Amino acid sequence: SQQGEEDPQALSIQEGENATMNCSYKTSINNLQWYRQNSGRGLVHLILIRSNEREKHSGRLRVTLDTSKKSSSLLITASRAADTASYFCATPTSGTYKYIFGTGTRLKVLA
Amino acid sequence: GAVVSQHPSWVICKSGTSVKIECRSLDFQATTMFWYRQFPKQSLMLMATSNEGSKATYEQGVEKDKFLINHASLTLSTLTVTSAHPEDSSFYICSTRPPAGDGEQYFGPGTRLTVT
Repeated sequence: SQQGEEDPQALSIQEGENATMNCSYKTSINNLQWYRQNSGRGLVHLILIRSNEREKHSGRLRVTLDTSKKSSSLLITASRAADTASYFCATPTSGTYKYIFGTGTRLKVLA
Repeated sequence: GAVVSQHPSWVICKSGTSVKIECRSLDFQATTMFWYRQFPKQSLMLMATSNEGSKATYEQGVEKDKFLINHASLTLSTLTVTSAHPEDSSFYICSTRPPAGDGEQYFGPGTRLTVT
C-alpha cells in the first residue's frame, strides 16, 4: 500500500498543552500537506510544505519535513478544545495531482 | 466561503437502487476533480479522478461500472453508485484543485451514504 502512516493513531491532551503528530511516507515527493477533519465533515487544508523546505509555520501550527527520513511532523501549540479533530497528512503520487492520505491521528483536547 | 459543495449531504437508500452524488466547484473551473471514500474511523481512499470531457480514471480495485463518474462541465462532477449494497455505505468526499497552485486541494463537505 502506498498509504502513509501516522502516529500516534489517537492522542488525548489537556487544553493548553502542545500536540505533536508524525507522518511517514514511502516515495519521493515534491510537497506534503496536512489536513484537519472534524467528525463527519469534509477536510480543511492546514498547510503545505515543499520538499525544499524544512519547517513552516502558520499561526499555532508548525510543520517540519525531513525528506531523508521520509517523515513530517505537525505541532499544534497551546491546544484548544476546538482543535479536537482528526489530522491527516497527504502526499502526491509521483508525477500526478493524486494524493495519498495517511492513516490519520485522532486528537482530543480536553477542556 | 465554501469552495466545493456536495449534494446531498446524506442519503439513505434501499439495496439495489442507484444514488447520484453531485460535486460542484464554486470558485474556479476544475478540469480535474477527485472522489474519495472514507469508512468510519479510517482514512480517505482515492477512488477515481474525474476528468472534464473525458473518461474518469479509476484506482485499482474500484469497479468503474459500479461507480459511474460524469464530469460534464468545468464545475460539476457526479458520482453514481449503481445497484448499491450495504457494503457501499460510506462517506464520499470530492475534491478539486485550482488550475494554478502547488497542488493544494479543496474538499467538499462529504456525502454520507447509508444503504439498507
